[in-house]
Amino acid sequence: GAGVSQSPRYKVAKRGQDVALRCDPISGHVSLFWYQQALGQGPEFLTYFQNEAQLDKSGLPSDRFFAERPEGSVSTLKIQRTQQEDSAVYLCASSSRARGEAFFGQGTRLTVV
Amino acid sequence: AQSVTQLDSQVPVFEEAPVELRCNYSSSVSVYLFWYVQYPNQGLQLLLKYLSGSTLVESINGFEAEFNKSQTSFHLRKPSVHISDTAEYFCAVRNNAGNMLTFGGGTRLMVKP
Repeated sequence: GAGVSQSPRYKVAKRGQDVALRCDPISGHVSLFWYQQALGQGPEFLTYFQNEAQLDKSGLPSDRFFAERPEGSVSTLKIQRTQQEDSAVYLCASSSRARGEAFFGQGTRLTVV
Repeated sequence: AQSVTQLDSQVPVFEEAPVELRCNYSSSVSVYLFWYVQYPNQGLQLLLKYLSGSTLVESINGFEAEFNKSQTSFHLRKPSVHISDTAEYFCAVRNNAGNMLTFGGGTRLMVKP
């Protein structure tokens, strides 16, 4: 596709519900990143993939957060038993090489009620 | 560890006036520096970057930033702003050994007619 695509754009979840957020990176991009952007703050790193390998997950805030990229293309960020503090915009970015320019998607706004 | 500080959360300015958005960083190693812009309801877009070479970098739409190693700063400037420059601006760093970006809290530039 022309850019990084994320779905859904908006998600409202009840506390305790599991959610799955999808990221379609730019075709051929080997690197994929997830960031969390709380209201009024800058994005914070969650995790990084190179192809299907998750090379860095140091930013995942708890074991309720899980990310996968099984075929080295589409990635899914899953949050189990959502809590109110999980409310944020989740941004996905991809780049053609490990330290190349990162292109960001529009994000998924998650609201936990 | 590295961090980025954007001291001004909001900067109101009249159209055609000059503007400076401040960014300071801390890092124990050499870093690459970036400015991203986020227009309403859109994803982050790279505005300009400093990787090496000339410390003054420019964007295609009239913004410029200067890397100052002694002051650990990378302030963003534009001599004459337009209404269309109204957006959120994020400064970010990446160290030369890593892949992920560390963002500042963002500065909302509000250009008034």
